[in-house]
Amino acid sequence: VQLVQSGAEVKKPGASVKVSCKVAEYIVTKLSIHWVRQAPGKGLEWMGGFEAEDGETVYAQNFQGRVTMTEDISTDTAYMDLSDLRSEDSGMYYCATGIAYYDSNGHRQFYYDYWGQGTRVTVSS
Amino acid sequence: QSVLTQPPSVSAAPGQRVTISCSGSSSNIGNNYVSWYQQLPGTAPKLLIYENNKRPSGIPDRFFGSKSDTSATLGITGLQTGDEADYYCGTWDTSLRAPSFGTGTKVTVL
Repeated sequence: VQLVQSGAEVKKPGASVKVSCKVAEYIVTKLSIHWVRQAPGKGLEWMGGFEAEDGETVYAQNFQGRVTMTEDISTDTAYMDLSDLRSEDSGMYYCATGIAYYDSNGHRQFYYDYWGQGTRVTVSS
Repeated sequence: QSVLTQPPSVSAAPGQRVTISCSGSSSNIGNNYVSWYQQLPGTAPKLLIYENNKRPSGIPDRFFGSKSDTSATLGITGLQTGDEADYYCGTWDTSLRAPSFGTGTKVTVL
């Protein structure tokens, strides 16, 4: 599986950005695509993702109301749309395939398998 | 605010061994598998360890993982200059109902 993301974006505060993640050599609907943000010099932050087994998209509380994640099955591409951009939204945005399942004890397990190369988003007036 | 705590940095000379800890709680590490990711400078993270101690194809056995109660450890033996990177632990948090990352650890090869 290869994930190829769109190029860098520069946006003004209050604008929206749409980042794409093309799935190569696989079918996007068979994958759970998640999005992770990394602010400059900071750690990794989960934004949300599509849970293939449940058929629904879940969003992190920090991004609720501002983020929308979609998929275009005709092009095997996932999208992350973030609105009302602020300077603190500047950073690298990664798509990644999430492996989620329940173990024999009924505990949910999760890890990221493949990652895109990242898309830099700069928010500046 | 991450629910998983890692030391900010560790260092060792080439050929030596380093370990990175990841401390959590019963709502995350205590009942769930831990994964580890390597992020080389200027690149995307890469899966290094999953299900506490399993290595994906292509990951050398110099990298190993373990878990005990609410903590996990990543070890690197035979340290190489190419291992200089940031390392993150990850797991599912049952209380948050979301995946979580550790705070990250920078490994420096002296």
